[in-house]
Amino acid sequence: QQQVKQSPQSLIVQKGGISIINCAYENTAFDYFPWYQQFPGKGPALLIAIRPDVSEKKEGRFTISFNKSAKQFSLHIMDSQPGDSATYFCAAYNQGGKLIFGQGTELSVKP
Amino acid sequence: EPEVTQTPSHQVTQMGQEVILRCVPISNHLYFYWYRQILGQKVEFLVSFYNNEISEKSEIFDDQFSVERPDGSNFTLKIRSTKLEDSAMYFCASSDQVGKGELFFGEGSRLTVL
Repeated sequence: QQQVKQSPQSLIVQKGGISIINCAYENTAFDYFPWYQQFPGKGPALLIAIRPDVSEKKEGRFTISFNKSAKQFSLHIMDSQPGDSATYFCAAYNQGGKLIFGQGTELSVKP
Repeated sequence: EPEVTQTPSHQVTQMGQEVILRCVPISNHLYFYWYRQILGQKVEFLVSFYNNEISEKSEIFDDQFSVERPDGSNFTLKIRSTKLEDSAMYFCASSDQVGKGELFFGEGSRLTVL
């Protein structure tokens, strides 16, 4: 119940395309859903986050779509750029502030 | 921009040796965390720390692990007797809120146990 399931494991997108990463959770106690971006050799960095009372949040080229009834959320990267190539982790907070990460998606944007 | 700093960046140790990983969280943050990431795998929660005590710990955080905030700035993770399977990247994180705010991660300490 504490798991967050993420797919796909890896993703290759052409420059200018749309990257879509999906996550699903079971625990309805989760109340905050961030996405983290991690470059090789670096720590995860917050990209964008959403709360379950909102169905969509957009920041620049990054959009989170949230489906509370299905317990699913996804990250869309519009106009994907080679500089977006990184590993992306979805995550969920439980009540105590413990961040549960998904398995990660390695995104490669080809020029 | 304030950041979480970790030392050492890489430590190689023999199995059975004690290791201390150090972190300096962002100065006004009150909540501190250790996570680890085995190569190629997801980031896993180890422990959270608030008000000088452990708030929550995972099943990974057994008796071989301990955390301490020895002064007003440092936050340490000690592994008493390292095992081969402790080889991982260890990330420290801090936050000014619990459950509602952003976790700021350091760049990690890579531990290699031989």
